[in-house]
Amino acid sequence: NAGVMQNPRHLVRRRGQEARLRCSPMKGHSHVYWYRQLPEEGLKFMVYLQKENIIDESGMPKERFSAEFPKEGPSILRIQQVVRGDSAAYFCASSRGTLNEKLFFGSGTQLSVL
Amino acid sequence: DQQVKQNSPSLSVQEGRISILNCDYTNSMFDYFLWYKKYPAEGPTFLISISSIKDKNEDGRFTVFLNKSAKHLSLHIVPSQPGDSAVYFCAASAQSNTGKLIFGQGTTLQVKP
Repeated sequence: NAGVMQNPRHLVRRRGQEARLRCSPMKGHSHVYWYRQLPEEGLKFMVYLQKENIIDESGMPKERFSAEFPKEGPSILRIQQVVRGDSAAYFCASSRGTLNEKLFFGSGTQLSVL
Repeated sequence: DQQVKQNSPSLSVQEGRISILNCDYTNSMFDYFLWYKKYPAEGPTFLISISSIKDKNEDGRFTVFLNKSAKHLSLHIVPSQPGDSAVYFCAASAQSNTGKLIFGQGTTLQVKP
């Protein structure tokens, strides 16, 4: 009964490169959320997806960031042309539904931009 | 604009005593509240939740109290154990808001043996 799986656990990129973060939700879960945690801060909502649909991207930066959750395969958070300010822990969470459903989180991907 | 606030960055208590973690919110549309616990290098894990139609929910050593008029909730841990040492996040959501959670900044709890 695997939980939410994120990979890689650690990702190092140089400024200007692309970062791809992957998330496989728990079995039976079709709702995926991405959160970002900057040092000394709480988790900030980025985007909410269901299969093949972006439901709410109100927390996503307007540029360089995109997310997808294809019919087959994991959800991907993509950051183009990374900058040092993108360095953070990125957490994925999943749930079965949205009405008072608790979220199950993965262990996160720590992105470091050199 | 911090809609969910945890004003105490840290708390230290003795093993066996009560830990009380506090959380305030500003958005009156929030109707569901949760507490998550987080260890270093791990994702948050769900602890306990409460709906706005209740003012108390209990699960073993953990109790959450909700005061809607004051827009305040608290998590009580009794008795506290060293394994409870972690960062605790308060989170809130609104049914009308696709279920996304708004998190506080977290409170680091240290339980001393």
